Amino acid sequence: EDQVTQSPEALRLQEGESSSLNCSYTVSGLRGLFWYRQDPGKGPEFLFTLYSAGEEKEKERLKATLTKKESFLHITAPKPEDSATYLCAVQASNDYKLSFGAGTTVTVRA
Amino acid sequence: DSGVTQTPKHLITATGQRVTLRCSPRSGDLSVYWYQQSLDQGLQFLIQYYNGEERAKGNILERFSAQQFPDLHSELNLSSLELGDSALYFCASSRSGTPGYEQYFGPGTRLTVT
Repeated sequence: EDQVTQSPEALRLQEGESSSLNCSYTVSGLRGLFWYRQDPGKGPEFLFTLYSAGEEKEKERLKATLTKKESFLHITAPKPEDSATYLCAVQASNDYKLSFGAGTTVTVRA
Repeated sequence: DSGVTQTPKHLITATGQRVTLRCSPRSGDLSVYWYQQSLDQGLQFLIQYYNGEERAKGNILERFSAQQFPDLHSELNLSSLELGDSALYFCASSRSGTPGYEQYFGPGTRLTVT
């Protein structure tokens, strides 16, 4: 069974204080690793898809990287509007569903 | 705005009742997925439809059923509701039915069973 573990559970940052979120996964044949952002009471918002080890993707202050066992989401010089829960999900090559981790809740103080 | 719409936004009902949640996918998307999000379980996959056909099933209870109509909208039916069914229910859609494509989520329906 696919397993996704995210750490830390919560992260409190000062505005401008860069940090990284971790997503460790176990899956039988990775088809894709997905990062989403979720605000309270809202639906997850798609951020990135990573397909193979060594791949990196960037969007504004966010950068996602992938190895064979984990992915990192780097937040550079965060702003208060980056406060959200960040979810990691994996999809196996022979599967359709996304298996989600529990998420990391990021709070950025001004 | 992801382009996926869900109705209603909120639903309050009593135990033993039946409800229907509705989802319209993004324009051009053929796949629809249903997920349940509760505080203790996180986001859990329920079921997937592709172009009207059931494609994959997750840990969906027998009391729950879904279908996708010719216009590609989907409905999730929940019956004999229990207190534990209280959760956020999300619909997601993707362009293709094959793995590897990102799924876009709707705003969700918050179900409260009293």
